[in-house]
Amino acid sequence: DTEVTQTPKHLVMGMTNKKSLKCEQHMGHRAMYWYKQKAKKPPELMFVYSYEKLSINESVPSRFSPECPNSSLLNLHLHALQPEDSALYLCASSSPPGQGNTEAFFGQGTRLTVV
Amino acid sequence: AQSVTQLGSHVSVSEGALVLLRCNYSSSVPPYLFWYVQYPNQGLQLLLKYTSAATLVKGINGFEAEFKKSETSFHLTKPSAHMSDAAEYFCAVDTGRRALTFGSGTRLQVQP
Repeated sequence: DTEVTQTPKHLVMGMTNKKSLKCEQHMGHRAMYWYKQKAKKPPELMFVYSYEKLSINESVPSRFSPECPNSSLLNLHLHALQPEDSALYLCASSSPPGQGNTEAFFGQGTRLTVV
Repeated sequence: AQSVTQLGSHVSVSEGALVLLRCNYSSSVPPYLFWYVQYPNQGLQLLLKYTSAATLVKGINGFEAEFKKSETSFHLTKPSAHMSDAAEYFCAVDTGRRALTFGSGTRLQVQP
C-alpha cells in the first residue's frame, strides 16, 4: 500500500467555521507533512512531523493547527480562515532523515474554498 | 538555502517529439533531487529521484534525468511525447530535513 489518503477531497467553509482536514498513511512512514498549493504555484511547506512530534513550522499563522495523533494519522485543524487561505492542501509522508528511501508520497489533496 | 530553478514555465511539443524540461539546483553539496508530475486537480506523483547512486536516473512512464554536477543541472527528458504526458512538472530538492523545496513548475503541452 503506497497510498496517502486525504479527506475530504473538497471543502467549502465560512470564515467563522471550524473544520479539519485528515490524512492517513499505512506505509510505516514516521515523517508526515502538510503543504499548501495556491493556483498555478508550487507546493509550499507548512508543517513537518517526525515521530509524531512537530519538527518544522514554517511560520504558519495560528489559524492553522496541526495534530499528529499517531504514526498513521495527520490532521490540520482550521479556524477563522481568510479567503486568501483558499488553496489545495497536500499531505505527504516519507521515512525520517537517516532512514530508508528519501522520496515523499503525496495524497490527492483537499481543495479548500473559504467564503 | 538549497533551491531549484526551472527554466520555462510552459513547454509545448508535438506528439512523438523529444521532451526536455530544465532544472538547475543551487547547492554546495550533492543534494537529493526529484521530479514530480501533477495532473489537474490531483496530488503529486514521483517520476524519479537522484540520490547519488547513479547520475542517469530512469523513472516511470519513460522519463529519465541526468545529474550533471559541472552544470548543476538535473534536466528531465523523454524521447517521445505522448498526449497523456500533458501535465505540470515540478523539480524539487530535499533540503536535508526530508522536506521538499519545489521549483516554480513547468506546464507541458503536447500537441497532436
